[in-house]
Amino acid sequence: SYVLTQPPSVSVAPGKTARITCGGNNIGSKSVHWYQQKPGQAPVLVIYYDSDRPSGIPERFSGSNSGNTATLTISRVEAGDEADYYCQVWDSSSDRDYVFGTGTKVTVL
Amino acid sequence: QVQLQESGPGLVKPSQTLSLTCTVSGGSISSGGYYWSWIRQHPGKGLEWIGYIYYSGSTYYNPSLKSRVTISVDTSKNQFSLKLSSVTAADTAVYYCARGPPKVAAAGNFDYWGQGTLVTVSS
Repeated sequence: SYVLTQPPSVSVAPGKTARITCGGNNIGSKSVHWYQQKPGQAPVLVIYYDSDRPSGIPERFSGSNSGNTATLTISRVEAGDEADYYCQVWDSSSDRDYVFGTGTKVTVL
Repeated sequence: QVQLQESGPGLVKPSQTLSLTCTVSGGSISSGGYYWSWIRQHPGKGLEWIGYIYYSGSTYYNPSLKSRVTISVDTSKNQFSLKLSSVTAADTAVYYCARGPPKVAAAGNFDYWGQGTLVTVSS
């Protein structure tokens, strides 16, 4: 099955930039979506199709995807960005089809 | 603004069937354009897609759960439902309903989610 690997945690100071990676075999050939999940809440879509932002998501959130790594970048990090972040792809060859990453906890110092 | 709300028992006994319903407001399931999914999250863990349904009734399930899952739709009530049979403690999780993926883009995302409901499997 297709596996998406994320670092368990990322720590960043307010105002700095956080980069969250999502590793997968040739992930650059797939469409990657990113979700933010705060404690006790449902996931919220923050990036879709690698780099598009839904309405209402700040421009501080951006995404890229190439080779074996997709990246979610949060610029000028704010305390409210502290959350778990998950990447997601569709892999028709996988036994699970819609695959989520292992998740990354972003801590704002 | 599309909104989704899960409902159903929070406690299910082992070997029984878990049943949940998702009520959609702010948009019609029958308008088409999207599949409607169930996704679960084990306590403190990541997300697992369970399956989806189209308003016409066509379904597709996660192969790892397929033998135990049934998703159905009631367009008159703008609802879709999940049944998971022969549950064990390993099925204890928060269950979410969500809109997506788009009908024309299997590689699409899940853009609206319900708040989630915790289902515990225990005797």
